[in-house]
Amino acid sequence: SYDLTQPLSVSVALGQTARITCGESNIGSRNVHWYQQKPGQAPVLVISRDNNRPSGIPDRFSGSNSGSTATLTISSAQAGDEADYYCQVWDSNTVVFGGGTKLTVL
Amino acid sequence: QITLKESGPTLVKPTQTLTLTCTFSGFSLNTRGVGVGWIRQPPGKALEWLALIYWDDYKHYSPSLMNRITITKDTSKNQVVLTVPNMDPVDTAAYYCARTPRSYGAFDFWGQGILVTVSS
Repeated sequence: SYDLTQPLSVSVALGQTARITCGESNIGSRNVHWYQQKPGQAPVLVISRDNNRPSGIPDRFSGSNSGSTATLTISSAQAGDEADYYCQVWDSNTVVFGGGTKLTVL
Repeated sequence: QITLKESGPTLVKPTQTLTLTCTFSGFSLNTRGVGVGWIRQPPGKALEWLALIYWDDYKHYSPSLMNRITITKDTSKNQVVLTVPNMDPVDTAAYYCARTPRSYGAFDFWGQGILVTVSS
């Protein structure tokens, strides 16, 4: 099966840059999507197809994908960015989510 | 404005069948390329994709659950239905439906979710 590896947690100081990774061999050949989920809420798509921001998502959110690692970057992290983040890809006609990363803004 | 909303029982007994309905607006499952999927999330755990159905009735299922769950659509009612027989306490989760354009690959609009508890 295709497993996406995410760190359990990432911490970032207020106003600094957070980077959340999603790893799997050859993930660079796939389209990676990222979701933000705050407590008690449904996930929200923040990055699609590696580095595209849906309407309404601040440009502080960006993505990259190469080789065996995709990365979600959040610049100038704010308290409101504190949430769980999930990566997602398609593999063999199935949808695969990563295990999620809890972002803490200090 | 695109919206989706899940409905169904919030409490089921072990061995019972769960039937959840996703009612959506702002798009049509008659439109080429459009799909609706189901994703669940046990309390405190990660998202787990379950199934997806497209405008042309093509279906995808999670390999771990494909012998158990069923996804269907009623285009005239703008609804997608998920059926899960033989529910077990490990199936306790928030169940979400979400839209996905086939060419997009991502779930761009989500319902609010419904928490289903399996307990006797």
